Amino acid sequence: QVQLVESGGGVVQPGRSLRLSCAASGFTFSNHGMHWVRQAPGKGLEWVAVIWYDGTKKYYADSVKGRFTISRDNSKNTLYLQINSLRAEDTAVYYCARDRLPYSSSSGDWGQGTLVTVSS
Amino acid sequence: EIVLTQSPATLSLSPGESATLSCGASQSVISNYLAWYQQKPGLAPRLLIYDASRRATGIPDRFSGSGSGTDFTLTISRLEPEDFAVYYCQQYGGSRVTFGPGTKVDIQ
Repeated sequence: QVQLVESGGGVVQPGRSLRLSCAASGFTFSNHGMHWVRQAPGKGLEWVAVIWYDGTKKYYADSVKGRFTISRDNSKNTLYLQINSLRAEDTAVYYCARDRLPYSSSSGDWGQGTLVTVSS
Repeated sequence: EIVLTQSPATLSLSPGESATLSCGASQSVISNYLAWYQQKPGLAPRLLIYDASRRATGIPDRFSGSGSGTDFTLTISRLEPEDFAVYYCQQYGGSRVTFGPGTKVDIQ
């Protein structure tokens, strides 16, 4: 059974950094691309970033490029999102999602999300 | 970046009726790499359709997807009470994935 568990969210001051983690189990992690998707309170889904199965390719939404870094450790079955220079508009639930394929396509499995609140 | 639009923003229907949701793209979606997701309050999205018309595992056949190029449709025939939710389209034809703003299907 596929399981994705995000952690690392919380209340953070503007300008600070945060690293989110997503622990994966129930499937061969190194065979799948992985995404981060966020959802601001009461708003729609916003794709954030994707990393290919082997970590060789990474792509970002324009809104986060340069501040966010996606990475993965296939030996630990864990996906990460490093967020720097946090802004109020980064406040959202952050979901990790497993791609159906080794690279970037649609996501059939999602975690429960972790809430990041940027506030002084 | 491909921008997706969805219409209508809200669809008010009764159980048993059919729903037709539209998704438009600002440019042609490569290989019709378009998906549809359902999301209920407080829950993660659920994949319904991928590659424009392929149903994901475990999705009832009352959900169907169609379309190509820049115009796509999600049809829900015979709405069940559990189908009232928000629906998002997503394109993954380029290196950057994008979502549409969503259509809320609520009970009339």
